[in-house]
Parts: sequence; structure tokens; C-alpha cells
Amino acid sequence: DAGVIQSPRHEVTEMGQEVTLRCKPISGHNSLFWYRQTMMRGLELLIYFNNNVPIDDSGMPEDRFSAKMPNASFSTLKIQPSEPRDSAVYFCASSNVAGVGYFGPGTRLTVT
Amino acid sequence: GNSVTQMEGPVTLSEEAFLTINCTYTATGYPSLFWYVQYPGEGLQLLLKATKADDKGSNKGFEATYRKETTSFHLEKGSVQVSDSAVYFCALGFGSSNTGKLIFGQGTTLQVKP
Repeated sequence: DAGVIQSPRHEVTEMGQEVTLRCKPISGHNSLFWYRQTMMRGLELLIYFNNNVPIDDSGMPEDRFSAKMPNASFSTLKIQPSEPRDSAVYFCASSNVAGVGYFGPGTRLTVT
Repeated sequence: GNSVTQMEGPVTLSEEAFLTINCTYTATGYPSLFWYVQYPGEGLQLLLKATKADDKGSNKGFEATYRKETTSFHLEKGSVQVSDSAVYFCALGFGSSNTGKLIFGQGTTLQVKP
């Protein structure tokens, strides 16, 4: 299996622009997670889906952030408009029926 | 609620020293417990897991035992190497037939000096 796939791996954008991060979970995994990691705040859970349904989005910082999972093999995290404080590494992870989570390589986002 | 607490770092050790990183949890229900490792510039990788009380997870010389009575899952290694320098995360998770939630501690940085 190819593991969790994220794209792009790096994104540099200007403040105010829309950013879309993409994730393909491991086939057969029913849960998908979006995390954000910064030096200041550590690893933060933004939102997670179970069987394509958003279960907990309490970690989404504000209305500028939105996430979708239209099917079992694809999810997006969108930031519109982006701000410099959104600069971070964004990880997608998926987990199997036993709850074991597998992480993607992350997307390093820089907002200037 | 569900939560995971780890000892604060950084933990600095000399090569071949004994390692313990403490982890305690609170949970409703019966979660699985995990340790993940993150090497510099990389994502999180599963290091070991335990799915029920008294299970011992082990990998690469690291061990942790699921202690329900003390709600703990401490990570240990008998002799650390410089290559073990990384950030270690304790986590608890519920399978997708339950809530599917995966909760991490704040991470503990380990620095091993030659």
C-alpha cells in the first residue's frame, strides 16, 4: 500500500489567497484526521471524519478553515483567506478499524 | 473526557542510558494505546501499540505495557542510541466501529548525546 498521500508537499502563498490541501487515505481505513503542527502549539487536531462524516470539528480555528470528505478516498482542507499565522505543517492521517493511525508526510504551508 | 498526558521534555541522555518517558491517560471505554515517533523533518510513525490491558507493545528495543490500574503506558528502552533522538508522542485511539477518535499527548523531545 502507498500509505497516506498528501499534496502538495510544500505550499508558499501570499496572505489573502485560498489554499487547498489534499489527502488520500489508506484504502479501507474508515477514519480520517487533519492535524496542524507548529513549534508554538505542537500537534493540534483540527477535524476528523468517521465513515466520511465529520465527527468533531471543534479544533478548526475559525470560519476561514473548512474540510470536506466527498468519498472514502479523498479529503480536502481549505483555508480562505489565508493568513501568516496559518503557516504550519498540516498532517493528514487515517486509521483502521482497530484505531491504529497512519500519517501522511505532511504539507508545509508558508503564508507570506 | 479522553486525554493523554506526557512528561515534559526535553529529555537529554547519554548514549546507552536507560530511557523512560511517562504517559498517563483518561478514557471512557476501552481504547488502544500507541507510541508514535517523529524524526526531524518527517511525519509521525507508529512505534508500538497495545490494544488491551496488560498487553505489551514492543519495537526496535522500545517497550510499553498497557496498565489499566494506573492508566499508564510508559515508554522504555534499555540502551538508547543517538539515532533515537526524536519527538515521541503517546496516543489513545478508538476503532472506527466506535468513535474512531485518535488523541495525542503533547510530545516529548528526546536528545541522545554520544
